[in-house]
Amino acid sequence: DAKTTQPPSMDCAEGRAANLPCNHSTISGNEYVYWYRQIHSQGPQYIIHGLKNNETNEMASLIITEDRKSSTLILPHATLRDTAVYYCIVRVKDTSGSRLTFGEGTQLTVNP
Amino acid sequence: KAGVTQTPRYLIKTRGQQVTLSCSPISGHRSVSWYQQTPGQGLQFLFEYFSETQRNKGNFPGRFSGRQFSNSRSEMNVSTLELGDSALYLCASSSWTRNNEQFFGPGTRLTVL
Repeated sequence: DAKTTQPPSMDCAEGRAANLPCNHSTISGNEYVYWYRQIHSQGPQYIIHGLKNNETNEMASLIITEDRKSSTLILPHATLRDTAVYYCIVRVKDTSGSRLTFGEGTQLTVNP
Repeated sequence: KAGVTQTPRYLIKTRGQQVTLSCSPISGHRSVSWYQQTPGQGLQFLFEYFSETQRNKGNFPGRFSGRQFSNSRSEMNVSTLELGDSALYLCASSSWTRNNEQFFGPGTRLTVL
């Protein structure tokens, strides 16, 4: 699985958009970008994933650059409950295994 | 649908003892993975079971083992506990037909004294 690089921490004001970057310059053509988050002392939670097109769901939007070497997770209206560690993971999407390789992630703190 | 459940939620053991942790996946999910989370090493993959067979294994010593039952419930066992085994142990389940979206349980907090 390709390695990812994320800033260790970010701050965001409540109600504003939180934009979390992730670099994955060695990503392969068949690797997807997944985002998970972990609120303190809870299990990680799946947010969104994508291959090359931008994706949106009820939680967030995922913007992947055209060369696929980086991506941005966007929380459009951050709330205090979005304070968590956000993990960007790159891996092949197949059914031969569910292993996730977590990096150190980004600690997002949403301030009132 | 009920989520992933793990028991017990908290556990205190002493060095040298062994421990068994249990995980019940989401109904219909046949894949169960285990992870260890420590402040120093972060989230690390232990192993994955699918249809009662170990499908993937992380880089952990043989003291860490697991199994999966026919109802997809899984257990992991750690023998001869060491202080460094103190961690949050997380279980995740996923569906064969889904896109590898992993659903994590709340974890078991193991403290080794």
